[in-house]
Amino acid sequence: AQSVSQHNHHVILSEAASLELGCNYSYGGTVNLFWYVQYPGQHLQLLLKYFSGDPLVKGIKGFEAEFIKSKFSFNLRKPSVQWSDTAEYFCAVMNAGNNRKLIWGLGTSLAVNP
Amino acid sequence: DAGVTQSPTHLIKTRGQQVTLRCSPISGHKSVSWYQQVLGQGPQFIFQYYEKEERGRGNFPDRFSARQFPNYSSELNVNALLLGDSALYLCASSNNTLLLGSPLHFGNGTRLTVT
Repeated sequence: AQSVSQHNHHVILSEAASLELGCNYSYGGTVNLFWYVQYPGQHLQLLLKYFSGDPLVKGIKGFEAEFIKSKFSFNLRKPSVQWSDTAEYFCAVMNAGNNRKLIWGLGTSLAVNP
Repeated sequence: DAGVTQSPTHLIKTRGQQVTLRCSPISGHKSVSWYQQVLGQGPQFIFQYYEKEERGRGNFPDRFSARQFPNYSSELNVNALLLGDSALYLCASSNNTLLLGSPLHFGNGTRLTVT
């Protein structure tokens, strides 16, 4: 069965620290990859997405993610986090065989201390 | 433009009851998907509708059903509620056909509590 694994369930950082959240998936075919963010009290928002082409994708708010096909990974990064980045981050994968069925990771809760 | 709107925002039901949740997609969006998010977990796919037809179904029992109306709004129905159905139910819309990769726009969800 397809699955998405997010390595870190809870991350606590200080402002200006660098961030990397791991995401691995299990599916051998063509995939589209997403990171969604859910700020406290708000709805899920798309942070960035990968369809094809350059495996390093830039998202909103200074986030980026790198698709490494050989490692089935799509890790999220940000060089310097801010307090306002405190949120829940979800990695999601869609494969070519499922019409718009996203498989989600369990999420990573990020707390940034000022 | 208004985003995806869901109603009600909160709902409390007792076991065995039935519930209907509603979703209005972003104007122009023809696809609506439903997700269940249990506390501490990622969203789980329930249904996807496009042009009023069911296009995908997750691993949920037949107690869960949905439909999409001509104006592309959607309802999710859950019968014979169980305690385990307590969750945040999210509706998401997208503006594309079934092409891969169209981003989903989520509503704020309906918080269902079953007692």
